[in-house]
Amino acid sequence: AQSVTQLDSQVPVFEEAPVELRCNYSSSVSVYLFWYVQYPNQGLQLLLKYLSGSTLVKGINGFEAEFNKSQTSFHLRKPSVHISDTAEYFCAVSEVGNTPLVFGKGTRLSVIA
Amino acid sequence: KAGVTQTPRYLIKTRGQQVTLSCSPISGHRSVSWYQQTPGQGLQFLFEYFSETQRNKGNFPGRFSGRQFSNSRSEMNVSTLELGDSALYLCASSLEFGQGLGNTIYFGEGSWLTVV
Repeated sequence: AQSVTQLDSQVPVFEEAPVELRCNYSSSVSVYLFWYVQYPNQGLQLLLKYLSGSTLVKGINGFEAEFNKSQTSFHLRKPSVHISDTAEYFCAVSEVGNTPLVFGKGTRLSVIA
Repeated sequence: KAGVTQTPRYLIKTRGQQVTLSCSPISGHRSVSWYQQTPGQGLQFLFEYFSETQRNKGNFPGRFSGRQFSNSRSEMNVSTLELGDSALYLCASSLEFGQGLGNTIYFGEGSWLTVV
C-alpha cells in the first residue's frame, strides 16, 4: 500500500522569500500525486496534480511541483510567497487503479511579514 | 456552480449517541468520498460511493457507515459515539468513480463533530 511522508510539519518563511515543501511517497506501482491546501476553517482545495507527462507541474496561485521518480518525491515550490499563502498544505498519492487518496500529515506554512 | 455542501457545519454530541452527517456533491458529480481529519491521525479515508454503491472502504469500525441516494447526495452515520470520534468530517465529490484513476476530488468545508 502507498504512503506519504511530509518531511516538515511546520515551515516559517518571510514574505517574498521562496519556499519548498517536501513530500516523499512510497509505492510499488505507478502513482498519481496531488497537493492540496487547507485554509483555516475550510475544506481542502486542489493546488496541482501529476498524472503523467512532464514532471514539472504548474498549479494555481503560482505554485509548482516536480515529480522525481528515482527519489520518489513530489516537492512543492513557490518562488515568492505572500501572507495569504499561510495555510496547511497536504501531499497526497493514489496508486494507479482503484485506490483512494492517501494523505500526508500536512505542513503548516506560516508567512511572516 | 455551487461547491460541495455539508450539513451541519458544527455539532456537539454525547458519548453513546449517534450522528448523521449530510453531503450534497457538486452538480453532475456522481462519486462521493468521506474523510475524517484529526490532529493526531491527519486525513483518513472512510469510504467512497458511486451509483449508490460503496466502492471502497477505509479501515474504520462498523460503527461508521454511509449511503448514497439516487441524486448522488450522501450521508454518513456514526453510531455509539466515542470521545475519539471528535473530528472534522470532510466530504468530497468527483465526476466519476475512482480516486485511483486520477480524478480530481473537490472537498466541502466539513462538519465539525465534538463528542463530550
